[in-house]
Amino acid sequence: KAGVTQTPRYLIKTRGQQVTLSCSPISGHRSVSWYQQTPGQGLQFLFEYFSETQRNKGNFPGRFSGRQFSNSRSEMNVSTLELGDSALYLCASSLEGVEGQPQHFGDGTRLSIL
Amino acid sequence: QKEVEQDPGPLSVPEGAIVSLNCTYSNSAFQYFMWYRQYSRKGPELLMYTYSSGNKEDGRFTAQVDKSSKYISLFIRDSQPSDSATYLCATPNLGNTPLVFGKGTRLSVIA
Repeated sequence: KAGVTQTPRYLIKTRGQQVTLSCSPISGHRSVSWYQQTPGQGLQFLFEYFSETQRNKGNFPGRFSGRQFSNSRSEMNVSTLELGDSALYLCASSLEGVEGQPQHFGDGTRLSIL
Repeated sequence: QKEVEQDPGPLSVPEGAIVSLNCTYSNSAFQYFMWYRQYSRKGPELLMYTYSSGNKEDGRFTAQVDKSSKYISLFIRDSQPSDSATYLCATPNLGNTPLVFGKGTRLSVIA
């Protein structure tokens, strides 16, 4: 069974640009969550999508947005990039995203802002 | 107080040692606890998944939850150099966050 796939693996952007990251969940998983990982803050939750609807949202500015498609694939968009957005962006999927169901992570997209 | 606290290490042990990794959490209502292992340049990999109190064993790994003291532990027996990684504890928040993570403990097992 294929795991969570994230593309691209690496991205280099400049301040002010925007970026779109993609995530394909494990087959049959309908919940997709996004996390930002930095050395200083660790893993922080961005948002979760289930059945094409944002179900939960973390404490990030509106420049961070996402969406989910009918096949459960998800995209995350960051607009007006800032230096502080440099991080590893991780996607995780679970069956339905309810408590008790483990989340499985992809290898992430490493975003560097120059 | 952070919801999940974890000693960041780094922790360095000789091959074959027993390793103990620990986290504390603040909310006594948390029920599920996970340990993830993250190798460099990789995403977190689910290692252990436990519910409520007690022990769970899987090969060389044992996860332990003590709800009375709000303490979770991961023990690694006969540690190997391939166990060198960052270990993250996590629990689903009761609010709007699917998972809350500790900051991770970096472990090095020296051959």
